[in-house]
Amino acid sequence: AQTVTQSQPEMSVQEAETVTLSCTYDTSENNYYLFWYKQPPSRQMILVIRQEAYKQQNATENRFSVNFQKAAKSFSLKISDSQLGDTAMYFCAAKSNTGNQFYFGTGTSLTVIP
Amino acid sequence: DTGVSQDPRHKITKRGQNVTFRCDPISEHNRLYWYRQTLGQGPEFLTYFQNEAQLEKSRLLSDRFSAERPKGSFSTLEIQRTEQGDSAMYLCASSQTPGATGANVLTFGAGSRLTVL
Repeated sequence: AQTVTQSQPEMSVQEAETVTLSCTYDTSENNYYLFWYKQPPSRQMILVIRQEAYKQQNATENRFSVNFQKAAKSFSLKISDSQLGDTAMYFCAAKSNTGNQFYFGTGTSLTVIP
Repeated sequence: DTGVSQDPRHKITKRGQNVTFRCDPISEHNRLYWYRQTLGQGPEFLTYFQNEAQLEKSRLLSDRFSAERPKGSFSTLEIQRTEQGDSAMYLCASSQTPGATGANVLTFGAGSRLTVL
């Protein structure tokens, strides 16, 4: 089994600023996938970004990028030029290449302040 | 395809009643997952199907919970003799089978919120 830990229950950022959300995980697998999902208030969860553990290059999707530190088992999400629409719960998740379950952290509630 | 659909979106029931939730996954997705999410928590795995076969169940899933996916398309999650502790958001998600491009990505539905009085 894998465990995912998000140690920041709540964060806030000024509009147009940059914010980093932290995530650590524990796994005995060598190959796995890491994800950040966004859940806006009363709306469904959507994928923000995905990282495959065997890829050393950090994934980026427009204003979203990750800092993947495999040895440290750390997977942080950086949101640049924060927008009001980024206000949401953000969940870090992990899945091994051989298993079927996705394991989620407890989430970080991000508020973008105008 | 409109994504993953869940019905009903909200259900209020009295303790002891049975409830059933339905999930329609993305049509080309073979895998279907059920998760439970309580306020302020991340989704907790309940069970998953590949086609019509239920391949894994969480220990969290008591015998009051049953899930089916009879034809490998839509799925139902039934909770019998509901308890107040069952109040939660029940999320359905689907993904493609291993080897496909989207095999390791979950697409979620909007969820079915259950309130047990």
